[in-house]
Amino acid sequence: DAGITQSPRHKVTETGTPVTLRCHQTENHRYMYWYRQDPGHGLRLIHYSYGVKDTDKGEVSDGYSVSRSKTEDFLLTLESATSSQTSVYFCAIGSGENTEAFFGQGTRLTVV
Amino acid sequence: AQTVTQSQPEMSVQEAETVTLSCTYDTSENNYYLFWYKQPPSRQMILVIRQEAYKQQNATENRFSVNFQKAAKSFSLKISDSQLGDTAMYFCAFMIAGAGSYQLTFGKGTKLSVIP
Repeated sequence: DAGITQSPRHKVTETGTPVTLRCHQTENHRYMYWYRQDPGHGLRLIHYSYGVKDTDKGEVSDGYSVSRSKTEDFLLTLESATSSQTSVYFCAIGSGENTEAFFGQGTRLTVV
Repeated sequence: AQTVTQSQPEMSVQEAETVTLSCTYDTSENNYYLFWYKQPPSRQMILVIRQEAYKQQNATENRFSVNFQKAAKSFSLKISDSQLGDTAMYFCAFMIAGAGSYQLTFGKGTKLSVIP
């Protein structure tokens, strides 16, 4: 298995509170991604990173921010959580170079 | 923008039988990769098979094979000798080759149930 760990695995939070999800890799891959998975939508890209301090928006970036201060860590922050952000969040890593992405175990976030 | 369409939200198959999952995509790119990922109830995303668009030969991995029709923009997955462990969500995904983010664009998924 690719060395990729997400934390926490489950979280329940209240509307309006900030939330940070962490993705940690031990593979030294250049690219890191955050996706959300919702029924009827598949997986959709939130943000991605192509290097330390290099990030860009994906398809559904509104309400989310990211940071990557080290190669191995990619953080996803919900500044003020809303019920529409209840979802399963996946981190993925890849080396680019036309190879497949490897996924973490997912984080189930519930905003009440 | 690329789009991926999986027209079968749910399917079922008898154990040991063969099933085909459909996927179509839309792109103006000529060089790209296509993938099938499996997501069992454990929620883990597992790569099943990949296909390079420049290769005419269809990819095969044990009981899993694809039918890649580039002109028709079709990429179906065939599972032979279905097993109970094949019960999962299956996602078709697309990646532009050699450019930018190497991000994946996913279809909405097909839920496959293998019946004993």
